[in-house]
Amino acid sequence: GDSVTQMEGPVTLSEEAFLTINCTYTATGYPSLFWYVQYPGEGLQLLLKATKADDKGSNKGFEATYRKETTSFHLEKGSVQVSDSAVYFCALSDRGNTGFQKLVFGTGTRLLVSP
Amino acid sequence: NAGVTQTPKFRVLKTGQSMTLLCAQDMNHEYMYWYRQDPGMGLRLIHYSVGEGTTAKGEVPDGYNVSRLKKQNFLLGLESAAPSQTSVYFCASSYSIRDRGSYEQYFGPGTRLTVT
Repeated sequence: GDSVTQMEGPVTLSEEAFLTINCTYTATGYPSLFWYVQYPGEGLQLLLKATKADDKGSNKGFEATYRKETTSFHLEKGSVQVSDSAVYFCALSDRGNTGFQKLVFGTGTRLLVSP
Repeated sequence: NAGVTQTPKFRVLKTGQSMTLLCAQDMNHEYMYWYRQDPGMGLRLIHYSVGEGTTAKGEVPDGYNVSRLKKQNFLLGLESAAPSQTSVYFCASSYSIRDRGSYEQYFGPGTRLTVT
């Protein structure tokens, strides 16, 4: 079945550093791709998404580009803040055999930003 | 607009006890989902529902039952809790693809369950 692989964490950065969190996927067909963020003690929130190849999703300074040729959707931010400390999940939508689309999540990458 | 709410927030059960987790959404979403989150494993789908009165099994359904009697509510039941069900449980909801053409899920704040 479809799957998502994320880099192991935690990723530890100083404030204003550049962030990259790698995400690659395996899928049949043409899934949509998502990044969700989970702040401490909270549920997941959609951060950004891309629905087709070469689309770039962006939100709150974060960006990710849907690269079909490398099956990747890496998350980037030019200058991280302490408030960005959270767990980031890459996910894809999988239609599956029943035709129902469900999300397949990666294992999550914890980001820790220090002042 | 409260979004997706879950009750309770925390619960401790003894092995063999039963309980029901309640999820409610006020966004008129057609689809609802229950996930469990375990360290190093991301989120795994337990059961889902594509409409009132319908439910289906997800990736890890064993030991759980669900019901969707009203469109806005989705209940997750544990009939005989086991230590392996210690986890954080998240409910989510979404529009159907035919309604909005896109697919993003809205999550509740989670329920932390410990089974001793």
